[in-house]
Amino acid sequence: KQEVTQIPAALSVPEGENLVLNCSFTDSAIYNLQWFRQDPGKGLTSLLLIQSSQREQTSGRLNASLDKSSGRSTLYIAASQPGDSATYLCAVSPLTGGGNKLTFGTGTQLKVEL
Amino acid sequence: DAGVIQSPRHEVTEMGQEVTLRCKPISGHNSLFWYRQTMMRGLELLIYFNNNVPIDDSGMPEDRFSAKMPNASFSTLKIQPSEPRDSAVYFCASSWGQGNTEAFFGQGTRLTVV
Repeated sequence: KQEVTQIPAALSVPEGENLVLNCSFTDSAIYNLQWFRQDPGKGLTSLLLIQSSQREQTSGRLNASLDKSSGRSTLYIAASQPGDSATYLCAVSPLTGGGNKLTFGTGTQLKVEL
Repeated sequence: DAGVIQSPRHEVTEMGQEVTLRCKPISGHNSLFWYRQTMMRGLELLIYFNNNVPIDDSGMPEDRFSAKMPNASFSTLKIQPSEPRDSAVYFCASSWGQGNTEAFFGQGTRLTVV
């Protein structure tokens, strides 16, 4: 059974700092990996999707990397801003079994302070 | 497109009552997912439909839970009878294809069973 772990569980940084969020998964037979952002009381917003054949994806100040063989992904946030404060979730979909069935990590709660 | 639309946003009901949650996926998407989010267990997949057909319902916790997708633009998740431990946020998500595309989430329904 796939298990997804995210470290750290919570992180507080001053504005402007570059930071890295970590995600690890136990079964490397994945189709893709997605990073999501969740604001309190809200739904999930997709940030980046990395296909299993890719090594990284970039969107603005966000860069996500994937090392499928070691079961790891990182989300790099450059020049953090208070508006980046949210919970960040990574999720993987299985290579077999069909569909975009996602197994989620427990999330990293990020607070960016002025 | 307005995105994935869920209703109601909040539901408070008494134990033993029937609860029906509703979801309208993004037009053109052929996969629909119901997830549940709790503090203890995080985000868990309950059931997955592809082309309106239930493909994987292994995450449905008990027979009290049932889900239907009568057409490509509507799905329901029903709990009958409801119990306090069903209190959670229920998310609906949709995507296109068989797995290598982004999943888009609704805003969720916060269910409280008292």
